[in-house]
Amino acid sequence: DTEVTQTPKHLVMGMTNKKSLKCEQHMGHRAMYWYKQKAKKPPELMFVYSYEKLSINESVPSRFSPECPNSSLLNLHLHALQPEDSALYLCASSRVLGQGRPSNQPQHFGDGTRLSIL
Amino acid sequence: GENVEQHPSTLSVQEGDSAVIKCTYSDSASNYFPWYKQELGKRPQLIIDIRSNVGEKKDQRIAVTLNKTAKHFSLHITETQPEDSAVYFCAASSTPSGSARQLTFGSGTQLTVLP
Repeated sequence: DTEVTQTPKHLVMGMTNKKSLKCEQHMGHRAMYWYKQKAKKPPELMFVYSYEKLSINESVPSRFSPECPNSSLLNLHLHALQPEDSALYLCASSRVLGQGRPSNQPQHFGDGTRLSIL
Repeated sequence: GENVEQHPSTLSVQEGDSAVIKCTYSDSASNYFPWYKQELGKRPQLIIDIRSNVGEKKDQRIAVTLNKTAKHFSLHITETQPEDSAVYFCAASSTPSGSARQLTFGSGTQLTVLP
């Protein structure tokens, strides 16, 4: 069973559309991540949320807007995307050992949303 | 920032043989090294990990070794089976923010186990 659930599994959108990707976990993890993965490439980190606060933004264009409404949910809002944004978008979560302390706990990935921009 | 190099990019072995994938990292502060297996069209799945206070870890047919001095770590799969065929990614973990880990992935190794 997948412990991190992502919806939708597939999404096709035009460059002028607005859509959102959703991610949910119920493992009590307080760190959540968005990755972008192109074919035959490793996942590339986009955003990290720690305790529902944006912790890392890897210089991602503003057409991608993350949101963490609570400790179980992570959204990625999409607007005015480009064809090169077509990719697999992966969500992951992990434990965080207290405020300000690094954690060496595994990241658990969802199945991803396969996004195609027309 | 951290930089992780992974070799080889492709690896073909006969069923029953062993497979070894090697990674090097640049940041001496990295202290956690997971390995992920990703089958075509599926999510990355953690198969084994090692922390910097340990030199070797084994789980059935899979083992990982870590050399902190040389800053390299390796994945060893023994008695390979066709279902081991997948892309394998190594990763190194740094904590630039202090409260959330950041994984830097290697470029991946496509392992093919020939029956």
